[in-house]
Amino acid sequence: DAGITQSPRHKVTETGTPVTLRCHQTENHRYMYWYRQDPGHGLRLIHYSYGVKDTDKGEVSDGYSVSRSKTEDFLLTLESATSSQTSVYFCAISEKGIVTEAFFGQGTRLTVV
Amino acid sequence: GEDVEQSLFLSVREGDSSVINCTYTDSSSTYLYWYKQEPGAGLQLLTYIFSNMDMKQDQRLTVLLNKKDKHLSLRIADTQTGDSAIYFCAENRDQTGANNLFFGTGTRLTVIP
Repeated sequence: DAGITQSPRHKVTETGTPVTLRCHQTENHRYMYWYRQDPGHGLRLIHYSYGVKDTDKGEVSDGYSVSRSKTEDFLLTLESATSSQTSVYFCAISEKGIVTEAFFGQGTRLTVV
Repeated sequence: GEDVEQSLFLSVREGDSSVINCTYTDSSSTYLYWYKQEPGAGLQLLTYIFSNMDMKQDQRLTVLLNKKDKHLSLRIADTQTGDSAIYFCAENRDQTGANNLFFGTGTRLTVIP
């Protein structure tokens, strides 16, 4: 998967707890993205980054924050998890923006109970 | 994401052709993409088409684009059981100064032996 590692791959957490998902890349790509995948919705962009410390909101950013202190790592944090955040989360990387090929990680399945 | 529409399911017999359809919304989208997702895996880029093209062929895959109707289709010739997967179309939008992908809901293709 083009040097993308998501961790953890599966997590079950309780409502109200903080959760951090990690995306690590070894491709030195500038752009990194977090998506969520839900039945009937396809993928939806949560946040993206266009460089170290440069991030911006996507379509469904409420309840999520991100950080990128190094080129290779992009962290997604749910400050206080809710059941509506139960989903599969995908990280993606891209060298020059989406115009070129975007590579996706294998996903993290998060269940909030 | 829900602005890019696909039918949810498609079943075909092995050896037949599959046609997966997609309608998108943003007439200014520069690129349109088809991704494949196999169980437990990330999304794999299959092919993409520039908005100034009508057709693109790549081995068993044929992409047709009708810009007037904002309609995109993916034809898979001689469909094999290994083609069983979820197929996502996606369009790029540039609403926030960086290209971002917006995905359809995905079409689950089942190939019957």
